[in-house]
Amino acid sequence: SAVISQKPSRDICQRGTSLTIQCQVDSQVTMMFWYRQQPGQSLTLIATANQGSEATYESGFVIDKFPISRPNLTFSTLTVSNMSPEDSSIYLCSVVPGPVEDTQYFGPGTRLTVL
Amino acid sequence: GENVEQHPSTLSVQEGDSAVIKCTYSDSASNYFPWYKQELGKRPQLIIDIRSNVGEKKDQRIAVTLNKTAKHFSLHITETQPEDSAVYFCAASMGGNTPLVFGKGTRLSVIA
Repeated sequence: SAVISQKPSRDICQRGTSLTIQCQVDSQVTMMFWYRQQPGQSLTLIATANQGSEATYESGFVIDKFPISRPNLTFSTLTVSNMSPEDSSIYLCSVVPGPVEDTQYFGPGTRLTVL
Repeated sequence: GENVEQHPSTLSVQEGDSAVIKCTYSDSASNYFPWYKQELGKRPQLIIDIRSNVGEKKDQRIAVTLNKTAKHFSLHITETQPEDSAVYFCAASMGGNTPLVFGKGTRLSVIA
């Protein structure tokens, strides 16, 4: 398995501002994934972050709105830019711990409320 | 791309009864099918998974079945307990370092 932490755990922000969410893993991983979970909804993939290359974004998500950094094999950040109330969600990072594994483990999530 | 449908969206059962949640997927290239349980305010936790080379897998009161031909898989919980109450998500992927596509979730309530 993997131990994953996220900061902050929750935040309340004003519209038009930006928030950077950090994801830290206790082991080196190739890929890190960022998901969004809107209130009462399922998880939707935002992007896949590979160390040393640009993140790959899913349809409906763009780099200008959700810039991602992946400076090393244990850390990634997701920024939610120019926030609006529609960005109020839980943001979760996840990883697959090993090269021959399939199981994906999730961080505890960051609960974001935009006023 | 992959699309995962999940039914029912809500399910209420009496304690001790069985619960079944069903999912279908669209992409025949998918070969990994996990089930997650999410309690209120918590992260999704893997409870069981199955790979496409296996038709059924069991872990105590939980079992998953997979029909590759029909592209559907199901979660079976027997002897349900109140602590089984949660939202359950099915998902599909091509395994390894590929992202998961989730179903919309099933809110299971076990009534004591």
